[in-house]
Amino acid sequence: AQSVTQPDIHITVSEGASLELRCNYSYGATPYLFWYVQSPGQGLQLLLKYFSGDTLVQGIKGFEAEFKRSQSSFNLRKPSVHWSDAAEYFCAVGKVSGGYNKLIFGAGTRLAVHP
Amino acid sequence: NAGVTQTPKFRVLKTGQSMTLLCAQDMNHEYMYWYRQDPGMGLRLIHYSVGEGTTAKGEVPDGYNVSRLKKQNFLLGLESAAPSQTSVYFCASSLAGRTGELFFGEGSRLTVL
Repeated sequence: AQSVTQPDIHITVSEGASLELRCNYSYGATPYLFWYVQSPGQGLQLLLKYFSGDTLVQGIKGFEAEFKRSQSSFNLRKPSVHWSDAAEYFCAVGKVSGGYNKLIFGAGTRLAVHP
Repeated sequence: NAGVTQTPKFRVLKTGQSMTLLCAQDMNHEYMYWYRQDPGMGLRLIHYSVGEGTTAKGEVPDGYNVSRLKKQNFLLGLESAAPSQTSVYFCASSLAGRTGELFFGEGSRLTVL
């Protein structure tokens, strides 16, 4: 069965430090992969997506993610974190079913940023 | 520039009561979804719709019903609320199923006592 694992429930970094959020997936075919961000009290917003091609994808707000098929991973990175990046981050894998792309979400990683 | 709007944003129910959550989108999206978000479990799909007049079950449909009478609206109903349905509910819509890019509302927090 398709699944997404985000091993880190909480991560705390200092402002200006680099960030990497881990995501591992289980999927039987080439996956569609996504990272969403949820700010407090808000809905989810798409950060970036991978369908095919270049395995390093760029997203909004200075985020990037790298697809590694051999490791079944799609880790999210940012070189320098800003206080406004404090939020919860969700990795998701797309499942094609009847032409409709359903998303299976990981449990999320909550990011705290120290000044 | 409303996007996806959910009403109400907060609601407290007693066990056995019924209620309806309304989702409205103004982006002319074909697909609409209802998710629930619980701590440590991410988002789980309750029901979805691929067009006006059509609905389908998601991952956790029991205890919920939905209707899509108009393209822009997707209603989620609880006929007899249970404490296990205490959650934050998110509506989302998407333009084309294959891209997977969902646009989310701000959520509706439901507490069942």
